[in-house]
Amino acid sequence: EAGVTQFPSHSVIEKGQTVTLRCDPISGHDNLYWYRRVMGKEIKFLLHFVKESKQDESGMPNNRFLAERTGGTYSTLKVQPAELEDSGVYFCASSQDLGGHGELFFGEGSRLTVL
Amino acid sequence: DAKTTQPNSMESNEEEPVHLPCNHSTISGTDYIHWYRQLPSQGPEYVIHGLTSNVNNRMASLAIAEDRKSSTLILHRATLRDAAVYYCILRDEYNTDKLIFGTGTRLQVFP
Repeated sequence: EAGVTQFPSHSVIEKGQTVTLRCDPISGHDNLYWYRRVMGKEIKFLLHFVKESKQDESGMPNNRFLAERTGGTYSTLKVQPAELEDSGVYFCASSQDLGGHGELFFGEGSRLTVL
Repeated sequence: DAKTTQPNSMESNEEEPVHLPCNHSTISGTDYIHWYRQLPSQGPEYVIHGLTSNVNNRMASLAIAEDRKSSTLILHRATLRDAAVYYCILRDEYNTDKLIFGTGTRLQVFP
């Protein structure tokens, strides 16, 4: 069974440009999460989808970030316009179970470099 | 959110057991103790989790103190592939489904 896949693996853009990251969760997983690690910092939660609904978007840094999950399958995270401080690795994860005993499955991440 | 405290780094030799400690003195009764690890250039990977009793799986063992204020992840025979950052995370059964990552413990394994 395929794991969580993310695309692209690495994106290099200039400040002010737009980038869209995609995440394909494990089939059948209703929960989808976005996290990111910026240089030298801890991995931070961005938001959580349950199917197509945003359950928790408390970690989204500002309105330059837009996440969607149309149809409750794959998700996209758009950064527009990108700033230098957005550089980092963006991780997507999915899970089947809610609650404290569920396991999250992470993708390998999309590295974003903003010049 | 409940907090955990881990040493910044630890070292081990290959084939030796490794005990990675975690303190969580403010743990609540509904918090599960989860461990994830992140290998270089990869996303975090689930290792193990528990509530009150010790747990074993194919990757590791989790020893939980009787008062639940600390726990220890045990790798029985470290391999070079176990070199990673290990995160101890508390996850509330009812409040939220997100994971809160701390700084973790960077484990180095020497041949």
